[in-house]
Amino acid sequence: QQPVQSPQAVILREGEDAVINCSSSKALYSVHWYRQKHGEAPVFLMILLKGGEQKGHDKISASFNEKKQQSSLYLTASQLSYSGTYFCLIQGAQKLVFGQGTRLTINP
Amino acid sequence: NAGVMQNPRHLVRRRGQEARLRCSPMKGHSHVYWYRQLPEEGLKFMVYLQKENIIDESGMPKERFSAEFPKEGPSILRIQQVVRGDSAAYFCASSPDRVGEQFFGPGTRLTVL
Repeated sequence: QQPVQSPQAVILREGEDAVINCSSSKALYSVHWYRQKHGEAPVFLMILLKGGEQKGHDKISASFNEKKQQSSLYLTASQLSYSGTYFCLIQGAQKLVFGQGTRLTINP
Repeated sequence: NAGVMQNPRHLVRRRGQEARLRCSPMKGHSHVYWYRQLPEEGLKFMVYLQKENIIDESGMPKERFSAEFPKEGPSILRIQQVVRGDSAAYFCASSPDRVGEQFFGPGTRLTVL
């Protein structure tokens, strides 16, 4: 079953923060996060393999709550280059399913 | 180390023809995934292959679609007797193991006339 991402779209001014959530109705083994710009291929951001794991680089970080079967992506002090559609990819019981995506627009 | 290669980048076919999409994974990667993306939509998993084996094809239509990843050469996604609804971007990704990050190729944009 497809994980649910929220919000579906968000518009920010440069420098503002955003949180994107990814929830699954089934047990998760891992969660990946990708960003895709229009007309381009998805680019890997990070992977979380264990419940409770948190990762981050630069101003983008993520957490994975295995018990709640959800992951959150945090974008801090957003930059124009952060614009794009963010997808979570969940892996559970050998199945790989992408979320429907969250479109992030950063305005100057 | 070259990234994931896909060719052709653009493919135009008439209804009823065959489409062959090729994907060369990154060096050292033996896991390949194929995804389909319709305009303004998310990515849909199609098939997961490991050298010479299909591990999971649950996302691939049972008719007209097939995939292979031979011991030598690229992975091939084959669509027989294409229909207009097959028009989409097809991405492949590779990874060094089953749970690792996936590196995506640039995609093949298939247009069926």
